[in-house]
Amino acid sequence: EDQVTQSPEALRLQEGESSSLNCSYTVSGLRGLFWYRQDPGKGPEFLFTLYSAGEEKEKERLKATLTKKESFLHITAPKPEDSATYLCAVQIYNQGGKLIFGQGTELSVKP
Amino acid sequence: EPEVTQTPSHQVTQMGQEVILRCVPISNHLYFYWYRQILGQKVEFLVSFYNNEISEKSEIFDDQFSVERPDGSNFTLKIRSTKLEDSAMYFCAPTRYREVDTQYFGPGTRLTVL
Repeated sequence: EDQVTQSPEALRLQEGESSSLNCSYTVSGLRGLFWYRQDPGKGPEFLFTLYSAGEEKEKERLKATLTKKESFLHITAPKPEDSATYLCAVQIYNQGGKLIFGQGTELSVKP
Repeated sequence: EPEVTQTPSHQVTQMGQEVILRCVPISNHLYFYWYRQILGQKVEFLVSFYNNEISEKSEIFDDQFSVERPDGSNFTLKIRSTKLEDSAMYFCAPTRYREVDTQYFGPGTRLTVL
């Protein structure tokens, strides 16, 4: 069965304290791995897509990396406005493009 | 990033009533994905829709659910007889292409079934 697992479930950081979020996946035929940010009561906001092992993408304080079994979202010197739930999702070949989501990591950054 | 609007933003209904959730994309969107998120749980795929037909559906998408494009622009998700467990956020995510395009999610409709 295709599975996506994110850890930790919740993460509390002090402003400026860098850390990483993990997304491990067990799927048959990964087409792409997606990272989204979700604020309370809002729709997921697209951050990155990664397609192959070794690929990295950056956006401001965020950097996403991909291996054959997991992806990391590195947050460098986070600010309070980075507080949100970060969602990982995978897309599998020949499954119509649907996204399979993990549970998410709730990040809280305190000033 | 494409703009997508969803209406209503919040819908409160009684159990057993029918609800229609709407998604209005900008142009060039051919594929539609609907997802739901029960409070505190993960986002789950419901159905994908292309060219007035369902492309794929999940186990959640039973006979109580239907999707259509009634007027060539809006996309609708209908729940015929709502249950308490249908209470959730419902998101649409239109794309231009089936698998190779990023899914940008709408703001969602919060459905509360009493």
